[in-house]
Amino acid sequence: VQLVESGGGLVQPGGSLRLSCAASGFTFRSYWMIWVRQAPGKGLEWVANIKQDGSLKYYVDSVKGRFTISRDNAKNSLYLQMNSLRAEDTAVYYCVRDWSPSSGGNDFDAFDIWGQGTMVTVSS
Amino acid sequence: AIQMTQSPSSLSASVGDRVTITCRASQGIRSELGWYQQKPGKAPNLLIYAASSLQSGVPSRFSASGSGTDFTLTISSLQPEDFATYYCLQDYNYPRTFGQGTKVEI
Repeated sequence: VQLVESGGGLVQPGGSLRLSCAASGFTFRSYWMIWVRQAPGKGLEWVANIKQDGSLKYYVDSVKGRFTISRDNAKNSLYLQMNSLRAEDTAVYYCVRDWSPSSGGNDFDAFDIWGQGTMVTVSS
Repeated sequence: AIQMTQSPSSLSASVGDRVTITCRASQGIRSELGWYQQKPGKAPNLLIYAASSLQSGVPSRFSASGSGTDFTLTISSLQPEDFATYYCLQDYNYPRTFGQGTKVEI
């Protein structure tokens, strides 16, 4: 079971980048998937998630209208299209699986599988 | 967005100590909270979900409790491999929000 991110790199402010995450060892189409980021020396920030069939997507306010999360279940892949990048988007971006356990009629988040992360640097 | 506040931001402890970290939500989140451990240069690791459920494979010295706005993570007897930064995460509503982290140092 693993997640492997790719696509990070150095980009100028205002530029675009597309991150990819290749999933293996589990039934990708059965899980919510998430992007979490961590700026250098800072804490974790939830960025976006997407439902199993791609029908629901949620974003943190700071990336709404600039970032788009998507998935291709046939390719076992998760994506994050990042446009209009800013210096404050500089971070390690993690691809994460949500196990989504249920209890008492409630579904909970449980981010049980994380990729190794890919670094995005926005700088001129 | 719901604000998650952890305390302390850092603490010093010794092997064998009992350590407690707290997380407070800016509004009630029922039991929709998880705890994560992160070691330097590594991805985070899930410890607890649903406020008190221990993730499979996590040592039983880790426990957690709470509901509503106040939550705690306890390490009953600190081991050398437990020196790390710990984060809480609310999954009550969107956007999900993490606490700022608590660094547990020797």
